[in-house]
Amino acid sequence: DAEITQSPRHKITETGRQVTLACHQTWNHNNMFWYRQDLGHGLRLIHYSYGVQDTNKGEVSDGYSVSRSNTEDLPLTLESAASSQTSVYFCASRDSGDTDTQYFGPGTRLTVL
Amino acid sequence: GDSVTQMEGPVTLSEEAFLTINCTYTATGYPSLFWYVQYPGEGLQLLLKATKADDKGSNKGFEATYRKETTSFHLEKGSVQVSDSAVYFCALSLVGAQKLVFGQGTRLTINP
Repeated sequence: DAEITQSPRHKITETGRQVTLACHQTWNHNNMFWYRQDLGHGLRLIHYSYGVQDTNKGEVSDGYSVSRSNTEDLPLTLESAASSQTSVYFCASRDSGDTDTQYFGPGTRLTVL
Repeated sequence: GDSVTQMEGPVTLSEEAFLTINCTYTATGYPSLFWYVQYPGEGLQLLLKATKADDKGSNKGFEATYRKETTSFHLEKGSVQVSDSAVYFCALSLVGAQKLVFGQGTRLTINP
């Protein structure tokens, strides 16, 4: 069955370190998204991509970057981790021909000390 | 800008009670509306959706009707079960925008 996976599921790092969170989907979806989930804020969009070599900033993109070198993967990089980036991160994908339904990964819990 | 507002939680009910979780939205165009559910330790799953005014989305006993006149998409279930305990998110997506805008989520706990 097609799926979307994230790794690692849990990560503890230190302030200032670079961290990369992986997202891999096997649906061959063109559209991929990264969200962060924080209490009281719901999910907020960090970055998104509509296809290979395409990346776009979301509402909370500062301190994050993404790259899209193939259809299946959209890794999220924290260039210099900050305590404010402690959160749960969700990746999602969507078929560009679908009527808006996004499929979510299981999430990565990141703690920045 | 586009936004979604949900009733604040947490919400605690007894099994077999009637559930309503309110959701209202602000959008410049004509959005599609969604309810997603997040069970403990898992990612979000689509629960139901509606793409135009007066449409009713339904799934697993849950229903929500797209009300353009009140800009609302309230989630209802006639008789909740312990297994419905989760966090529920209302969301919108503008046609062609391909991005979701989420409400803050409502945590629901059902006691036996």
